[in-house]
Amino acid sequence: AQSVAQPEDQVNVAEGNPLTVKCTYSVSGNPYLFWYVQYPNRGLQFLLKYITGDNLVKGSYGFEAEFNKSQTSFHLKKPSALVSDSALYFCAVRPLNTDKLIFGTGTRLQVFP
Amino acid sequence: GAGVSQTPSNKVTEKGKYVELRCDPISGHTALYWYRQSLGQGPEFLIYFQGTGAADDSGLPNDRFFAVRPEGSVSTLKIQRTERGDSAVYLCASIPGQANTEAFFGQGTRLTVV
Repeated sequence: AQSVAQPEDQVNVAEGNPLTVKCTYSVSGNPYLFWYVQYPNRGLQFLLKYITGDNLVKGSYGFEAEFNKSQTSFHLKKPSALVSDSALYFCAVRPLNTDKLIFGTGTRLQVFP
Repeated sequence: GAGVSQTPSNKVTEKGKYVELRCDPISGHTALYWYRQSLGQGPEFLIYFQGTGAADDSGLPNDRFFAVRPEGSVSTLKIQRTERGDSAVYLCASIPGQANTEAFFGQGTRLTVV
């Protein structure tokens, strides 16, 4: 079955420190990969995507993600976390043989001042 | 407005009642998705439209759930004989049509079945 795993329910990091939110996937072929963020009482907002090309993609608010084909991972990163980055983050994949967007269970990021 | 609009934002209904949830996608977007998000969970795929037709409805949990998009724009998710387990946030998203583009989500409809 095609799936997305976010192994950490919560990630805690101090402001100014680098952050990583992990994502691995299990789908056939090379899917399209996405990260979304959800703030309280707000809809999902697109952060970045990997389609093809350079394995390191840059997105909104200083976030970036690294695609690793051999490890089937797409970890979200930011060099220096802000308190305002605290939110719920979702990894999603769209397999090439379907238009369905499959989400992980989400990781809550808490950045402490 | 430029974004995906969902109405109502909140809906409380009694067990056994029928509800309709509406989604207005971004103008010109050909593809439309419905998702359901329960507390503490990621969005769960329900159905996907390409134009007026349901291209994939494999996520609809049972025959109480039905969705339409008669003119290829606005979509309505219909739930018959609601159950308490249907309580969740129902999300709608639209994309221009190319698979490599990101989906734009609405704010969701919080459905509570009492």
